[in-house]
Amino acid sequence: AQSVAQPEDQVNVAEGNPLTVKCTYSVSGNPYLFWYVQYPNRGLQFLLKYITGDNLVKGSYGFEAEFNKSQTSFHLKKPSALVSDSALYFCAVRVPYNNNDMRFGAGTRLTVKP
Amino acid sequence: GAVVSQHPSWVICKSGTSVKIECRSLDFQATTMFWYRQFPKQSLMLMATSNEGSKATYEQGVEKDKFLINHASLTLSTLTVTSAHPEDSSFYICSARVPPGQAEFGSGTQLSVL
Repeated sequence: AQSVAQPEDQVNVAEGNPLTVKCTYSVSGNPYLFWYVQYPNRGLQFLLKYITGDNLVKGSYGFEAEFNKSQTSFHLKKPSALVSDSALYFCAVRVPYNNNDMRFGAGTRLTVKP
Repeated sequence: GAVVSQHPSWVICKSGTSVKIECRSLDFQATTMFWYRQFPKQSLMLMATSNEGSKATYEQGVEKDKFLINHASLTLSTLTVTSAHPEDSSFYICSARVPPGQAEFGSGTQLSVL
């Protein structure tokens, strides 16, 4: 069964510092991997995805993520954090041949302090 | 880009009443939509997969008679919470799959049952 894990419930960084939100996955097959952001009482907003091609994926708002097959990871990164980046971040995985929808990680709350 | 519209954003109802939540794909056709439930500070839990023109597929543990799903057209899926009770209070989110594998989410509906 496919699954994704976000080992950190909370990540705190200072504004201007680089940030990393971790995600590891477990699937049988080649995964589609996604990052979404959720602001309070709002739906999820798509940030970026990896399907195939370059392991480094660039997405919205300056975020990027690196697909690492050997470590089964897809960590989300940003070189310089903004206070407005504070939100709940979800990693998700989907296996192409499985018609069920994605499986989400538990989420990581990112807090960027001024 | 693809947009999924969900409404209402907020609904407060009395115990025993039914509430309908709509999910529309605004500029694309969605043969499959998904309904999720999210408890505070927790991840999204898939409730059911809504298939246009056929019966929805429910996840284990989700009551079919409690959460009625109708996907009568390629752009509209509805979730009706029947005879709502306080324990049904939650944040409900729909999504639709956009090729080649990305999901677009609605803005969510916060249901409060008094």
